[in-house]
Amino acid sequence: DVKVTQSSRYLVKRTGEKVFLECVQDMDHENMFWYRQDPGLGLRLIYFSYDVKMKEKGDIPEGYSVSREKKERFSLILESASTNQTSMYLCASRGPNSPLHFGNGTRLTVT
Amino acid sequence: AQRVTQPEKLLSVFKGAPVELKCNYSYSGSPELFWYVQYSRQRLQLLLRHISRESIKGFTADLNKGETSFHLKKPFAQEEDSAMYYCALRTLGGGGNKLTFGTGTQLKVEL
Repeated sequence: DVKVTQSSRYLVKRTGEKVFLECVQDMDHENMFWYRQDPGLGLRLIYFSYDVKMKEKGDIPEGYSVSREKKERFSLILESASTNQTSMYLCASRGPNSPLHFGNGTRLTVT
Repeated sequence: AQRVTQPEKLLSVFKGAPVELKCNYSYSGSPELFWYVQYSRQRLQLLLRHISRESIKGFTADLNKGETSFHLKKPFAQEEDSAMYYCALRTLGGGGNKLTFGTGTQLKVEL
């Protein structure tokens, strides 16, 4: 069974802080994704990566960056957290011809 | 640009009643459609995809290219069907890594 693990379930940060959200998958998947989930807005793609050190912008990349140094790990970085980045963040991975497998999510609050 | 529309934020039905969760998409190429479900306090998971043409937990969905729809149906709702449902669209070919989600429909099955 695919396991996608997000390191934090809840996170509270202050405005202006640099924030790291970590995600690890154990199925050797090439593709990894970061979404944010907001009521009424659904899931919106922030960034994705189709290989180590490769990344592509999703639909709402502003204010975020990512890092993929190893195949199993995909990090989302908020360079300077703002209150409008308060959200549920979902990491997912996918192999060839397989559906997305999601982590449990990280609920980030920026005060 | 691809787009997924779920017109209902909330759908409330009685146990045993038929359920139809609506999903429309816009995409000029050949689409691949999915339904994902999130039960309370669980991670988002795949419910079904159109290429499989299968029934999962009594749910079915047929891709109608003429109406650009992929509605999710179940003849008799059960209490355990209460959840958030997301329709998703993946493009085939170039850019096939991306999955675009709708805004979601909360299904509430009442006794």
